[in-house]
Amino acid sequence: NAGVTQTPKFRILKIGQSMTLQCTQDMNHNYMYWYRQDPGMGLKLIYYSVGAGITDKGEVPNGYNVSRSTTEDFPLRLELAAPSQTSVYFCATRTGGLGNQPQHFGDGTRLSIL
Amino acid sequence: QQQVKQSPQSLIVQKGGISIINCAYENTAFDYFPWYQQFPGKGPALLIAIRPDVSEKKEGRFTISFNKSAKQFSLHIMDSQPGDSATYFCAASIRGGSEKLVFGKGTKLTVNP
Repeated sequence: NAGVTQTPKFRILKIGQSMTLQCTQDMNHNYMYWYRQDPGMGLKLIYYSVGAGITDKGEVPNGYNVSRSTTEDFPLRLELAAPSQTSVYFCATRTGGLGNQPQHFGDGTRLSIL
Repeated sequence: QQQVKQSPQSLIVQKGGISIINCAYENTAFDYFPWYQQFPGKGPALLIAIRPDVSEKKEGRFTISFNKSAKQFSLHIMDSQPGDSATYFCAASIRGGSEKLVFGKGTKLTVNP
């Protein structure tokens, strides 16, 4: 049981390049989230999904896209990388049902855009 | 708009001391208040959480105190240990639906031996 797996762990991009951050979970959780973490700024929600085929914007969606074709996978796409997107990206999952279930986080992708 | 304000930004405590981290929220619709612990190079992990129908929750050395009228909640770490050195985030959400978490900016705790 690997939990939440994020790949790659590190990546350096040039301005204008594109890439996809991968997130895979084996817990059969319906809810998945993408956050970015900047130093001293906490975690900010980029996009989230409540199930396969359903996605919605979070607090900071500009410059990103997502898709959710399966329960297991929730990739995050950067189309035209900008220096402002240098950050650590975390994927998280949560089971469904009532009552505030915890979010389970992956170990992140550290992305630098130069 | 920051909906959850966390302080202090950093905290240094001696081994055996008490660590206290405070958070305040604005949205009265929030009804779930978790604390996450993050070690360097790792993702955050749930430490302890509270609902607003109780004023305190204790799990081992970790206690959440909750003041609904003041819209404040705090994390107390008793008998702090060097292994507690990490970054702590408070958060808040509304039960039901997507249950999106709104995070504070984090507190870096250092416990000196």
